[in-house]
Amino acid sequence: EDKVVQSPLSLVVHEGDTVTLNCSYEVTNFRSLLWYKQEKKAPTFLFMLTSSGIEKKSGRLSSILDKKELSSILNITATQTGDSAIYLCAVGGGAQKLVFGQGTRLTINP
Amino acid sequence: EAGVAQSPRYKIIEKRQSVAFWCNPISGHATLYWYQQILGQGPKLLIQFQNNGVVDDSQLPKDRFSAERLKGVDSTLKIQPAKLEDSAVYLCASSLAAELYQETQYFGPGTRLLVL
Repeated sequence: EDKVVQSPLSLVVHEGDTVTLNCSYEVTNFRSLLWYKQEKKAPTFLFMLTSSGIEKKSGRLSSILDKKELSSILNITATQTGDSAIYLCAVGGGAQKLVFGQGTRLTINP
Repeated sequence: EAGVAQSPRYKIIEKRQSVAFWCNPISGHATLYWYQQILGQGPKLLIQFQNNGVVDDSQLPKDRFSAERLKGVDSTLKIQPAKLEDSAVYLCASSLAAELYQETQYFGPGTRLLVL
């Protein structure tokens, strides 16, 4: 059975800190790994990583895929209170199906 | 570009009642997904459509859940009869469905269901 595990489940830091969120997976026919940010509504897309694009960066957010270790990290530098959200990792296998992890709840205190 | 639309946004029902959710995907997106997200968990895929055909419904509790996408555009998800454990957010997502690539899924705002 395909499985995605995120850690930590919850993280509380102060504004300005740097955080690293982890995602590990066991998926047959791996095609891609996606990160989403979920506030009080629907998940919004952040990054997609594939074998041909194992590192992505957008502003203060960056992500790396380690296909050997079957894992990915999401880094957020100089955190702001607006970064508070649940961060979801999802892995794509065959037929465009995504398997989601349970999410990391990130809280940024001012 | 309009996003994925869902309605209603909130629904409160009593157990054993029935409920239906509606989703209209992004225009041109062939693939449509329904997810169930229980509080504190990640979304779990219930059913995936490619146009009006079902690609994957292996995690859909078929004794009480049903879904259709008759014209290959909008879709409805029904629960009949509802149980307490069906309380969750029901998310609809859509994607372009490119063949060679894991296409990004775009999510609607969700329907929050509370079963009493």
